Amino acid sequence: DIQMTQFPSSLSASVGDRVTITCRASQSINNFLNWYQQKPGKAPNLLIYAASSLQSGVPSRFSGSGSGTDFTLTISSLQPEDFATYYCQQTYSTLPYTFGQGTKLEI
Amino acid sequence: QIQLEQSGAEVKKPGASVKVSCKASGYTFTSYGISWVRQAPGQGLEWMGWISGYNGHTNYAQKLQGRVSMTTDTSTYTAYMELRSLRSDDTAVYYCARVRGATDAFDIWGEGTMVTVSS
Repeated sequence: DIQMTQFPSSLSASVGDRVTITCRASQSINNFLNWYQQKPGKAPNLLIYAASSLQSGVPSRFSGSGSGTDFTLTISSLQPEDFATYYCQQTYSTLPYTFGQGTKLEI
Repeated sequence: QIQLEQSGAEVKKPGASVKVSCKASGYTFTSYGISWVRQAPGQGLEWMGWISGYNGHTNYAQKLQGRVSMTTDTSTYTAYMELRSLRSDDTAVYYCARVRGATDAFDIWGEGTMVTVSS
């Protein structure tokens, strides 16, 4: 199975900050990397697919980059509603579609 | 609008089975797959498996092989996930998610179904 490692596991930041979360795959996954946001008691919400494509309806302050094994999610200017847990996920050709362990973004 | 509506919370005893439903609306069910993902209390997301909405082909997580079954009813646009021989560590919120083609991103999620396994 492909292992996904996210770091940091938690992060404290302030409104207006620029924040970057990193995700590393145990082998190359090309650009088959997605990012999700999850708020307490809610289902995850797709933010970024194919490493850098913004899902419809997601604010442009969210961006993704990377290819191969190393990927990043960047929030350019944190808003109060962005405090949540973020997960990366690989959907490369070989199942299972593994998730990273999550990054909790706190005020 | 496009949505997935899941069945309600369940409480089961160890050794029992649970079957969770996921009814799709607002899109052509047979054009997409459905994945199931679970989340134990305070933990991360765990992919359980995938089923094709087109032909019912399945692929399950190895750790659940033999205990999990995923099916669909294309006449009602509903997917089902059955988990057998329940244990306390199966206590979790179970989500269904639509799998978008090409990238296989999970673009639409159900609201989740809490399954509690307790004697």
